[in-house]
Amino acid sequence: EDQVTQSPEALRLQEGESSSLNCSYTVSGLRGLFWYRQDPGKGPEFLFTLYSAGEEKEKERLKATLTKKESFLHITAPKPEDSATYLCAVQAGAGNNRKLIWGLGTSLGVNP
Amino acid sequence: SAVISQKPSRDICQRGTSLTIQCQVDSQVTMMFWYRQQPGQSLTLIATANQGSEATYESGFVIDKFPISRPNLTFSTLTVSNMSPEDSSIYLCSVERIGTEAFFGQGTRLTVV
Repeated sequence: EDQVTQSPEALRLQEGESSSLNCSYTVSGLRGLFWYRQDPGKGPEFLFTLYSAGEEKEKERLKATLTKKESFLHITAPKPEDSATYLCAVQAGAGNNRKLIWGLGTSLGVNP
Repeated sequence: SAVISQKPSRDICQRGTSLTIQCQVDSQVTMMFWYRQQPGQSLTLIATANQGSEATYESGFVIDKFPISRPNLTFSTLTVSNMSPEDSSIYLCSVERIGTEAFFGQGTRLTVV
């Protein structure tokens, strides 16, 4: 069964304290892994797409990496404005049968 | 990217009534998706709406409860019918083009009293 598991469920960091969020997945025929940020009361905001093991993407203080079984979202020297829920999703299937399988997210809080 | 406008942003409704949520996209897309996000939960796909055909519903969701319209390539509506408090949730519209990431509207926060 296709499944996405994110850990930890919640994480609180001090400003400047780097850490990593994990997204492990089991899916038949991975066609992409996506990271999103979601602020309270808003829709998810796209961050990164990763397609193959070994791929890395960076944006400001965030860096996403992908292996055959999991992805990490590394947060370097976080700031309070990085506080949000980070969602991971994998795309399974193809064509009109494709769908996104979502994790439950990691709620990140960054203390000033 | 795609800009998605979703209306209303929030509503408080009486049980037994229905609410229609609108989703407008700034460009033509083949597939539009409707999600539900219950408090503290991740996203659950309700249905996929393709223009010119009936929506495809996921397990646990039925057309009588969540009728969907897709009259053209830039617009869709989701109706939550005969609402109960258990329908209180955030409803999200999403679009994607084949091979690219999904983009979301800002969501509709529904409270049923």
